[in-house]
Amino acid sequence: AQSVTQLGSHVSVSEGALVLLRCNYSSSVPPYLFWYVQYPNQGLQLLLKYTTGATLVKGINGFEAEFKKSETSFHLTKPSAHMSDAAEYFCAVSSNRDDKIIFGKGTRLHILP
Amino acid sequence: DAGITQSPRHKVTETGTPVTLRCHQTENHRYMYWYRQDPGHGLRLIHYSYGVKDTDKGEVSDGYSVSRSKTEDFLLTLESATSSQTSVYFCAISEQSSNQPQHFGDGTRLSIL
Repeated sequence: AQSVTQLGSHVSVSEGALVLLRCNYSSSVPPYLFWYVQYPNQGLQLLLKYTTGATLVKGINGFEAEFKKSETSFHLTKPSAHMSDAAEYFCAVSSNRDDKIIFGKGTRLHILP
Repeated sequence: DAGITQSPRHKVTETGTPVTLRCHQTENHRYMYWYRQDPGHGLRLIHYSYGVKDTDKGEVSDGYSVSRSKTEDFLLTLESATSSQTSVYFCAISEQSSNQPQHFGDGTRLSIL
């Protein structure tokens, strides 16, 4: 079975500081990995995804994530936080053997002025 | 944005009443999903569909049923609503399963008194 663990249900960073949201996954087969963002009263939007190929994946709004198989991690980063980045972020895992995506419990990102 | 419409967007009802939520898509995607989102639990899959009249259970399917008679519509029914089913419900669609991202509707906020 696959699973996702997001470390920290709440993360606070200052505006302009590095954003680092942690995600570790468990999968017995090669994983497909996703990061989604959810703004208040909205559905989830895809930030980026990893399926195969380059392990450093660039997404929208300046975010990127790196797939590290040896560490079973897919952490999300952004060099400089902006107030508009305040939202909830979800990591998710799937594989080519499953019709479903498993979501983590989410990390709420707070941006301090 | 993917064409996904959830209706109603808000609903308040009483315990024991039947409730049906509708998800309508204009993208002709094969896969459709129903999730519920609760604080501390992230998104949990209720049911999903991989084609017309083809559905399967997710991790929290008890108390819910679904139907898909047309590609564009996926209905979620609570036969006899309970207070534990108070939640925000999201519909998602995907062109293919697994390695393709899911696109989400804006959610239905359901309160059962």
